[in-house]
Amino acid sequence: AQSVTQLDSQVPVFEEAPVELRCNYSSSVSVYLFWYVQYPNQGLQLLLKYLSGSTLVESINGFEAEFNKSQTSFHLRKPSVHISDTAEYFCAVSDSYSSASKIIFGSGTRLSIRP
Amino acid sequence: DAGVTQSPTHLIKTRGQQVTLRCSPKSGHDTVSWYQQALGQGPQFIFQYYEEEERQRGNFPDRFSGHQFPNYSSELNVNALLLGDSALYLCASSPGGRWSGNYGYTFGSGTRLTVV
Repeated sequence: AQSVTQLDSQVPVFEEAPVELRCNYSSSVSVYLFWYVQYPNQGLQLLLKYLSGSTLVESINGFEAEFNKSQTSFHLRKPSVHISDTAEYFCAVSDSYSSASKIIFGSGTRLSIRP
Repeated sequence: DAGVTQSPTHLIKTRGQQVTLRCSPKSGHDTVSWYQQALGQGPQFIFQYYEEEERQRGNFPDRFSGHQFPNYSSELNVNALLLGDSALYLCASSPGGRWSGNYGYTFGSGTRLTVV
């Protein structure tokens, strides 16, 4: 079975500062990894995903995440954050072998941006 | 193209009652998963439906049941409601049938259930 640990429940940063949201996973098989974002009173939106190939994946709004198999991590980074990035971010994992794979989520990291 | 649609958006029920939540998946998606998100927590997997059958189930009691219809829409039923069932219930759809987890899910905005 897979599990996800998000090491920080809250991350406060100043606007235009860089940010890293940490995520570690546990699995006995190969995995697919995801980052989802949830704005207040909304559902989750897929931010980016790693399925295979290049270990560095990017989103259209400047976020990137790097898959590190040896450290079982998938940290999310952005070099310069904006007020509009204020949201809850969830790291998630699914196994790549099961024909009925489900996505398991971490407990989330609340990103708050200070002007 | 409509995304995932859930109804109702908000619901208040009394302890012991039964509730039915509904979900219409995104066009082209054939797999529906349901999640429970308690306040301040990550979504917890309830179950997944494909080809009108429950394919996988999380650690939820039998009070939680579901159904998928031929048009791929789905219902989540919860019997004998407890105060602890108060949460945001999220429906997610995906394409690909047997390999749905690989694509990531498209989520609806959820149904906020309050049990009093």
